[in-house]
Amino acid sequence: QKEVEQNSGPLSVPEGAIASLNCTYSDRVSQSFFWYRQYSGKSPELIMSIYSNGDKEDGRFTAQLNKASQYVSLLIRDSQPSDSATYLCAVKYTGNQFYFGTGTSLTVIP
Amino acid sequence: DGGITQSPKYLFRKEGQNVTLSCEQNLNHDAMYWYRQDPGQGLRLIYYSQIVNDFQKGDIAEGYSVSREKKESFPLTVTSAQKNPTAFYLCASRGGLVGTDTQYFGPGTRLTVL
Repeated sequence: QKEVEQNSGPLSVPEGAIASLNCTYSDRVSQSFFWYRQYSGKSPELIMSIYSNGDKEDGRFTAQLNKASQYVSLLIRDSQPSDSATYLCAVKYTGNQFYFGTGTSLTVIP
Repeated sequence: DGGITQSPKYLFRKEGQNVTLSCEQNLNHDAMYWYRQDPGQGLRLIYYSQIVNDFQKGDIAEGYSVSREKKESFPLTVTSAQKNPTAFYLCASRGGLVGTDTQYFGPGTRLTVL
C-alpha cells in the first residue's frame, strides 16, 4: 500500500512567521514530490515540485526532500493571510500514478 | 488561453441516473487523470490515461467509466452503480517538455445526488 501521510492540522501561525508543513511517504523508490495549495471550494494549484535531495527555493516557499528518511517538507516564510489554505503533498511512485496526502489546513492570523 | 476546462461546474443527479463530466485540455498533454475528493480527504484516483484509446483503473474505479477517443478529451461517466457519488471531481493532465512529471488540475465539478 502506497501511503502519503500529513498532519491534518489545523496549523495556525501569526502573520510574518514561518509555517512548516511535513509529509512522509511509504515507498523508497519514489522519484517525484509535489506541494499543492487548495483554497476552499477550489482545485489544487501547484506550488513546487522537487526531485532530488536537499532544498529548493521559490520566492517565500522552500521545499526540502530527504529520501533516506522518506519525508518532504514545505516552509513558507513571511506567512500572509492569503496563504491560508489546505496544502496537499503528492508523491509519484514508479509508474504513472500519483498519491496524495489528506492535506494540512493552514491559517495565518493577521 | 491554455489550460484544462471542466464542465459543468455544478451537477445534480437523481438516483439511478448516469451522468457524464467533461474534461478538455489544450496543453498537448499525453496523460490525463480523474480524481475524486470527499470533504476532509485527499484525492483518490478513479481512472487515468497515458495515450489515446488506452486507460487504466485507479483505486476507486467501480461505478465509473471513461473514454479517451481524442488527446484533448477525457470524459468521466458516473453510473448508477456508484452508490455514493456526491463529491468534488477533479480532472488533471500531465506532460510536455518541461516538468513532465507535474500534474495540473482543472477547476473541478461538484456532483450532488438528490
